Amino acid sequence: GDSVTQMEGPVTLSEEAFLTINCTYTATGYPSLFWYVQYPGEGLQLLLKATKADDKGSNKGFEATYRKETTSFHLEKGSVQVSDSAVYFCALMGGSGYSTLTFGKGTMLLVSP
Amino acid sequence: NAGVTQTPKFQVLKTGQSMTLQCAQDMNHEYMSWYRQDPGMGLRLIHYSVGAGITDQGEVPNGYNVSRSTTEDFPLRLLSAAPSQTSVYFCASSSPVAGGNEQFFGPGTRLTVL
Repeated sequence: GDSVTQMEGPVTLSEEAFLTINCTYTATGYPSLFWYVQYPGEGLQLLLKATKADDKGSNKGFEATYRKETTSFHLEKGSVQVSDSAVYFCALMGGSGYSTLTFGKGTMLLVSP
Repeated sequence: NAGVTQTPKFQVLKTGQSMTLQCAQDMNHEYMSWYRQDPGMGLRLIHYSVGAGITDQGEVPNGYNVSRSTTEDFPLRLLSAAPSQTSVYFCASSSPVAGGNEQFFGPGTRLTVL
């Protein structure tokens, strides 16, 4: 079945550092890929998405490129802020027609001033 | 729009008790889903529905029942709560027709079973 593997955390960075959170996936067909963010005590918010190979999703300075050849969707940001501290989830939605998500286990990001 | 709402926000149950977690959305979305979030496990799909009167099981359905009598509501029932059901529960909705494949999540219900 479908699966998502993302790097374990916590990832601890200083403000203005470069961020990479790795995500790889296994899926049949042509999935859509997502990054969700969960701030403390809140639900999940969509951060960015990509629906086909070579698409780049971007939002709030975060970017991720859908790489079919390496089955990856790594999240990057050039300069993190304290307010980016949260848990980040990589997820995929398969091409089966059902609108449900398969999530990775999440990566906690902690940014210090 | 209120989006996706969930009640209650917190609940403590004793083993064997039953309860219903409520979920409602006002976006006229066809699809609704229930997930549970456990430490180190990410979110796992419990049940989902692709429209009123249609439900199906996800990855971890045991111990939970759902029904979808209206487009707006998708309650999750615990028939006999067990400590293993201690978790945070999230409801989500989406509309492949109107909104593409983005899922909108509610704020969650934190359930503790003693």
